Amino acid sequence: QKEVEQDPGPLSVPEGAIVSLNCTYSNSAFQYFMWYRQYSRKGPELLMYTYSSGNKEDGRFTAQVDKSSKYISLFIRDSQPSDSATYLCAMSFNTGGFKTIFGAGTRLFVKA
Amino acid sequence: NAGVTQTPKFRILKIGQSMTLQCTQDMNHNYMYWYRQDPGMGLKLIYYSVGAGITDKGEVPNGYNVSRSTTEDFPLRLELAAPSQTSVYFCASELSRGPTTYSNQPQHFGDGTRLSIL
Repeated sequence: QKEVEQDPGPLSVPEGAIVSLNCTYSNSAFQYFMWYRQYSRKGPELLMYTYSSGNKEDGRFTAQVDKSSKYISLFIRDSQPSDSATYLCAMSFNTGGFKTIFGAGTRLFVKA
Repeated sequence: NAGVTQTPKFRILKIGQSMTLQCTQDMNHNYMYWYRQDPGMGLKLIYYSVGAGITDKGEVPNGYNVSRSTTEDFPLRLELAAPSQTSVYFCASELSRGPTTYSNQPQHFGDGTRLSIL
């Protein structure tokens, strides 16, 4: 079993739709949860990060962490064609070590 | 502000050849990382460094070497290229990481080096 599972997609939605991207994980010691966006032939860039459980909102993006279910989500409201990219979830431990575990990424296409 | 710069962007090697992937950052970040990204596999950590003169192995270090003689540069060396090393390589840097200062300290990635071993 992988430490982090993420559906690779692709996920295709019409412009303006609400997008839900998800990851599950197996290690309950993870404390920091991140979402990166990666455009084609570019490096990942950090979109959102959260510590422990709860929600965090930034503009059209909302990150949600449910530690009891070992499940994290990224919601994109009013999706735009410019949101078309691969979204990677990532998580790491609270202290010590330098290990960040990345999901395989979900490819998202937003159609105009 | 260039951020993290990787060179070359593309390279084709023959089996057994060697090469160095260059990475430099101008943000005065202490921590630097090398990852490889394979289709459907996510990012795997190869090596990392917490500062000049200090390096350590990540999850998949075999076949690679690194050095960190300056804060800015973190080159990755392939000594005997093998087809299994065909991948996209990303370098990343981070200002710091501590028990209570993780927030607002994301990893900054370069745009990658696409390497094919034939």
